Amino acid sequence: DTAVSQTPKYLVTQMGNDKSIKCEQNLGHDTMYWYKQDSKKFLKIMFSYNNKELIINETVPNRFSPKSPDKAHLNLHINSLELGDSAVYFCASSQSFLSYNEQFFGPGTRLTVL
Amino acid sequence: AQSVTQPDIHITVSEGASLELRCNYSYGATPYLFWYVQSPGQGLQLLLKYFSGDTLVQGIKGFEAEFKRSQSSFNLRKPSVHWSDAAEYFCAVGSYSGGGADGLTFGKGTHLIIQP
Repeated sequence: DTAVSQTPKYLVTQMGNDKSIKCEQNLGHDTMYWYKQDSKKFLKIMFSYNNKELIINETVPNRFSPKSPDKAHLNLHINSLELGDSAVYFCASSQSFLSYNEQFFGPGTRLTVL
Repeated sequence: AQSVTQPDIHITVSEGASLELRCNYSYGATPYLFWYVQSPGQGLQLLLKYFSGDTLVQGIKGFEAEFKRSQSSFNLRKPSVHWSDAAEYFCAVGSYSGGGADGLTFGKGTHLIIQP
């Protein structure tokens, strides 16, 4: 059973398009995250949600809009895609944001903007 | 703000040799420290973590790490590497603010190459 899953695994699209990446965790965790890994493999937190509520928003352009329909899902919608959005996006989850716990990562979604 | 430095971008080690990957962190309070491994095209897998207690922590795949508060370091070690250890290794620190745990702050990674 996959603990944290993301779809799609690969996403190739044109500049200006709108796209979504889906994330689901079956661990029963309360907190979910989105990270961006750039071409130099640097990983940076984008958002975190706890029980469907936004906790962290790390100065990400408002073209990025996370949505959490329930605590097991955290989707990332990106409007008006730009070349600089090309990256690998990782979803992660942890038990709770109230105390520190291991974060479990999904396999990543490689987004390529042409 | 917290930060993590991994001074070695690339390390090449012969198969069977010992390994040490360096990690230094900057954080004002007691850090929560992690090492993750990323194989090519894969997600991140947790190798080990330090929250408190014994400063030498054991992880999966024969890895260990030692927390040294005086040096603000959390170096990863393995006594004998295998070809399958070739991967990208990330050190990360977790912090608290606003009453809750923040996302992890990662170092820039160390790319490990294993020579036959």
